[in-house]
Amino acid sequence: EPEVTQTPSHQVTQMGQEVILRCVPISNHLYFYWYRQILGQKVEFLVSFYNNEISEKSEIFDDQFSVERPDGSNFTLKIRSTKLEDSAMYFCASSFVTDTQYFGPGTRLTVL
Amino acid sequence: QQQVKQSPQSLIVQKGGISIINCAYENTAFDYFPWYQQFPGKGPALLIAIRPDVSEKKEGRFTISFNKSAKQFSLHIMDSQPGDSATYFCAAKETSGSRLTFGEGTQLTVNP
Repeated sequence: EPEVTQTPSHQVTQMGQEVILRCVPISNHLYFYWYRQILGQKVEFLVSFYNNEISEKSEIFDDQFSVERPDGSNFTLKIRSTKLEDSAMYFCASSFVTDTQYFGPGTRLTVL
Repeated sequence: QQQVKQSPQSLIVQKGGISIINCAYENTAFDYFPWYQQFPGKGPALLIAIRPDVSEKKEGRFTISFNKSAKQFSLHIMDSQPGDSATYFCAAKETSGSRLTFGEGTQLTVNP
């Protein structure tokens, strides 16, 4: 069964550093998403991406965040200058239509 | 108005019992209501979903009940098993949007 994959599984970085989280969505999917989950809290939407542009973003997704689909298979989330409060699990998801979203296993980001 | 309220926060049931988790929403533009199951260290996995044009949907031991007038929906897990022990999230999405708005989650423990 096709699945969303994410790398790395765990990323440790220093405050102020840039990080790039990578995702390979399910191959025939058209919509791509990033969500985050702070430890013990609910899953929060960050951004959705369709047809090579952002289709929707939340108030969390400010100027320090960016997304890119650099080739036909990868989807990335860049955080330019990490803050302590960026520490969370980041989930990539993909879907063929916007309803049935499949999530990857997540990248745990720890900002020191 | 974007929130989805979920209860209870935690639930303990005996093997073979019925687990019931409830969610409520205010936004009448929501028209897609999925439930996700999450095991520790894993991404949310889509379990079952419903649209407001039906009042109930059943898949195996999992049933969603939907009350459009009350703006409430619930997940029923029949014959609960220890392997069902996980965190369950309800979510909702607007017709015109792509973001899933998640509830706070319910940690289910099924005792043998």
